[in-house]
Amino acid sequence: DADVTQTPRNRITKTGKRIMLECSQTKGHDRMYWYRQDPGLGLRLIYYSFDVKDINKGEISDGYSVSRQAQAKFSLSLESAIPNQTALYFCATSDLGQGTDTQYFGPGTRLTVL
Amino acid sequence: GNSVTQMEGPVTLSEEAFLTINCTYTATGYPSLFWYVQYPGEGLQLLLKATKADDKGSNKGFEATYRKETTSFHLEKGSVQVSDSAVYFCALSENNAGNMLTFGGGTRLMVKP
Repeated sequence: DADVTQTPRNRITKTGKRIMLECSQTKGHDRMYWYRQDPGLGLRLIYYSFDVKDINKGEISDGYSVSRQAQAKFSLSLESAIPNQTALYFCATSDLGQGTDTQYFGPGTRLTVL
Repeated sequence: GNSVTQMEGPVTLSEEAFLTINCTYTATGYPSLFWYVQYPGEGLQLLLKATKADDKGSNKGFEATYRKETTSFHLEKGSVQVSDSAVYFCALSENNAGNMLTFGGGTRLMVKP
């Protein structure tokens, strides 16, 4: 079984709809992240959480919110989806060790907003 | 702030050719450097990393050397295979930035038989 799972894998929705993307991990890591990937732009950080009580905005948090329901679960919400939020979304986890922070990624959710 | 710049793709090579993907970075401190690979339809996975100057990261025949004097971390492989076709991302993290990753834009590699 995959260590980091994301649901759904694909979603098509309409402008103005509320959408939730879910991420679960079995790695036992404290840190979780949400990124979006756009062609040619690499990955940009939306939100991150270093533990259940710690939520932080990333580079592009406007229009998004998150919830850390448990150590293993981190959800991303689009309260009112708009077309420029069409992208590939990745969840990642990490556990700081030996001074570096290797991240482990889920398979991604492809979101299309019409 | 921190930034990572990669050569734009796509890079198209024949099987067994030599690969170089350039990566340069800007950072305020002493970052750790990473190469991640994304195979079609999958998430990113760590390919290799280096944590201090002159370190060489290596994995699956790929290598990259942390060059502080040129702020570079170029990815190389001596003989590519069709199965190496993927998107490659250079990234850095800094201790004084909470170890957050900053990614380059990615370089798509296509290897033809």
